[in-house]
Amino acid sequence: QKEVEQDPGPLSVPEGAIVSLNCTYSNSAFQYFMWYRQYSRKGPELLMYTYSSGNKEDGRFTAQVDKSSKYISLFIRDSQPSDSATYLCAMSDPNTGNQFYFGTGTSLTVIP
Amino acid sequence: NAGVTQTPKFQVLKTGQSMTLQCAQDMNHEYMSWYRQDPGMGLRLIHYSVGAGITDQGEVPNGYNVSRSTTEDFPLRLLSAAPSQTSVYFCASSYTETYEQYFGPGTRLTVT
Repeated sequence: QKEVEQDPGPLSVPEGAIVSLNCTYSNSAFQYFMWYRQYSRKGPELLMYTYSSGNKEDGRFTAQVDKSSKYISLFIRDSQPSDSATYLCAMSDPNTGNQFYFGTGTSLTVIP
Repeated sequence: NAGVTQTPKFQVLKTGQSMTLQCAQDMNHEYMSWYRQDPGMGLRLIHYSVGAGITDQGEVPNGYNVSRSTTEDFPLRLLSAAPSQTSVYFCASSYTETYEQYFGPGTRLTVT
């Protein structure tokens, strides 16, 4: 079983839609939860992070962590064509150093 | 700041050849890491380093060597290339024990 599971999609939505991206994980020791955005043929860039449980909002993006269910989500409101990219979740256990475990990524296309 | 730079951008090798992928960062980050990204597999950690002179193995270290003689540079060596090493390789860096990794643009490697 993989440490982190993520539905690869692809996901296609009309402009302005609310997008929900999700990951599940198996290691209850994970404390840092991150979302990266990766445009085609580019390196990933950090979008948001949360520590432990709870919600975090940044503009049109909201990250949620439910540690009891081992489930994290990223919501994108008022989606734009520029949001078209692959979204990767990542997690780490601070007690084991800086090893980050990534999901496989979800490919998102926002249609104008 | 140039951030994280990687060379070359593209490389084709024959089975059995060796080569070094270069990675450099100018942000004075202690932590550096190498990932490979394959379709359906996500980003997998190959090797990482928490500072000059210190390296450790990640999830998929076989067939790769690293060294860290300076804070800035973290080269990845393929000892005897195999077709299974065809992938996109990303280098990343961060301050130790933080969540925000900065990724380079990637090296696309094909082994025939």
